Amino acid sequence: KNQVEQSPQSLIILEGKNCTLQCNYTVSPFSNLRWYKQDTGRGPVSLTIMTFSENTKSNGRYTATLDADTKQSSLHITASQLSDSASYICVVRGGGFKTIFGAGTRLFVKA
Amino acid sequence: DAGITQSPRHKVTETGTPVTLRCHQTENHRYMYWYRQDPGHGLRLIHYSYGVKDTDKGEVSDGYSVSRSKTEDFLLTLESATSSQTSVYFCAISEAWDRTTDTQYFGPGTRLTVL
Repeated sequence: KNQVEQSPQSLIILEGKNCTLQCNYTVSPFSNLRWYKQDTGRGPVSLTIMTFSENTKSNGRYTATLDADTKQSSLHITASQLSDSASYICVVRGGGFKTIFGAGTRLFVKA
Repeated sequence: DAGITQSPRHKVTETGTPVTLRCHQTENHRYMYWYRQDPGHGLRLIHYSYGVKDTDKGEVSDGYSVSRSKTEDFLLTLESATSSQTSVYFCAISEAWDRTTDTQYFGPGTRLTVL
């Protein structure tokens, strides 16, 4: 069964600290993996995309990694800001129009 | 929100009534999608469209129908609303479906409550 599992479900960190969010998937075949950020009350916004041959992709303070062999990805946030408080969603595209969304990690950044 | 609007933004309705949600885009993107988002679940695809009058079912299509008569509009209809369809509905668009250019842009969402 194609699945995307994210951990932790929620996370609280202090402003300025780093954090890492995890994503494990069993989607096959694999086309790409994206991380989205979803602010409360808004639609998700794409942060990064990685295909099979890419193992690291950065977007400002966000760095995503992909290990296609172990089917794991992580999103590292450096020097967190209050505006980073949001849900982070891992999305894996399989064959055709199959796109599996993880349930997300809810990040709270406190001052 | 990338030139995507959804209407209404909030709706409360009663069980058994039909409901239509509208998604409008100004980006001229070919692909349009309807998702629902429920607590503890990832976004789940209801229906999608790959062109005017070309639509197909997603993983949770039962009880929903769609229509796309113009590039810019994608309508989602709940034929007879049930309480299990209480959810937040998101419309998304994408320009292409190549694995490196399939970024989906999401609308602001519609919160639907079925009593």
